[in-house]
Amino acid sequence: DSGVTQTPKHLITATGQRVTLRCSPRSGDLSVYWYQQSLDQGLQFLIQYYNGEERAKGNILERFSAQQFPDLHSELNLSSLELGDSALYFCASSARGEGANVLTFGAGSRLTVL
Amino acid sequence: AQSVTQPDIHITVSEGASLELRCNYSYGATPYLFWYVQSPGQGLQLLLKYFSGDTLVQGIKGFEAEFKRSQSSFNLRKPSVHWSDAAEYFCAVVLYSGGYQKVTFGTGTKLQVIP
Repeated sequence: DSGVTQTPKHLITATGQRVTLRCSPRSGDLSVYWYQQSLDQGLQFLIQYYNGEERAKGNILERFSAQQFPDLHSELNLSSLELGDSALYFCASSARGEGANVLTFGAGSRLTVL
Repeated sequence: AQSVTQPDIHITVSEGASLELRCNYSYGATPYLFWYVQSPGQGLQLLLKYFSGDTLVQGIKGFEAEFKRSQSSFNLRKPSVHWSDAAEYFCAVVLYSGGYQKVTFGTGTKLQVIP
């Protein structure tokens, strides 16, 4: 157990729908990162939050949004889902100071869009 | 642009044989370098990291990696592979840009271990 908790583990939905993925970072970690892993795109950075504020943005589609709440958990919202959004979505967290460079990953949420 | 290249998509080794997974990066300065491992159905786990100092770093599970500035490489090695090492391995580069860290992962190398 890495200490990063992601729910749900598996999710099956239809095209056009909206889903929310949830992440609780390791205790004490202020940064949360979201990654998408698919067979054709590999591991793609989506977005990073630090203590509630957006810190960096990667290849995140406009149909996707995220936020980090005061209790530091984060949610990734995926809307108007397409078949190509089927992927593993990972959350990672990192600490402050020297630990800020090291990412601790959750087990992922596997999204299947039918 | 910052990039990480793992030239080998898939590698097969026999149990007990030695292993070397290649990683090359493209950046003007020395970045922070990492190797992560992903077992089937799992998230990524940190194997080892290099920030500065001794260019040969030791990690968990008997892995080591050597940073070679002249070759812009950070190859992962293990002297004797175990069946449980079958997994996907990712090299990653962390750079600071605009005051914030940016993490870039390579495309991964899938390791198959045969008896």
